[in-house]
Amino acid sequence: AQSVTQPDIHITVSEGASLELRCNYSYGATPYLFWYVQSPGQGLQLLLKYFSGDTLVQGIKGFEAEFKRSQSSFNLRKPSVHWSDAAEYFCAVGAPDKLIFGTGTRLQVFP
Amino acid sequence: EAGVVQSPRYKIIEKKQPVAFWCNPISGHNTLYWYLQNLGQGPELLIRYENEEAVDDSQLPKDRFSAERLKGVDSTLKIQPAELGDSAVYLCASSFDTGSIYEQYFGPGTRLTVT
Repeated sequence: AQSVTQPDIHITVSEGASLELRCNYSYGATPYLFWYVQSPGQGLQLLLKYFSGDTLVQGIKGFEAEFKRSQSSFNLRKPSVHWSDAAEYFCAVGAPDKLIFGTGTRLQVFP
Repeated sequence: EAGVVQSPRYKIIEKKQPVAFWCNPISGHNTLYWYLQNLGQGPELLIRYENEEAVDDSQLPKDRFSAERLKGVDSTLKIQPAELGDSAVYLCASSFDTGSIYEQYFGPGTRLTVT
């Protein structure tokens, strides 16, 4: 069965530091992969997606993610975090007829 | 372009009471989704509509939950009667069509508290 695991429930970084959020998936075929961000009181916003091709995907707000088939991973990265990046981040895999989300990672940013 | 609109944003009710949530999708979007997001969890699909038709309601607890999308635009999700375990955020999303299932736009959600 398809599933998504986000091992880190909560991550704290200092503003300006680099960030990596982990995501592992389980899917039988070539996966469609997504990262969403949810700010307090807001809906989910798509940061980036991977369907095929270049395994390094650029997204909005300076985020990028790398698809590694051998590790079943799709980790999200940002070289320098801003205070406004504090939010909940969800990784998702596209099943044939739905999105399956991970449990999320809450990012806290210290000044 | 207006995004997905949901109301109310917050709702507090006592258990056994009914409650309804409303969603207005992005104009022109034929496919509408309702998700349940429990605290500390990712969203889980409850029901998906294509126009007026519920094409996937396999995860909707039909004993107490119902949904409708009568004119293929706005949608209402109802719970009757509500239980303590229904406390969660209910998200609505829309996409242009089912072929755009991976291009969903989410509303801000309705946070339900059942006391």
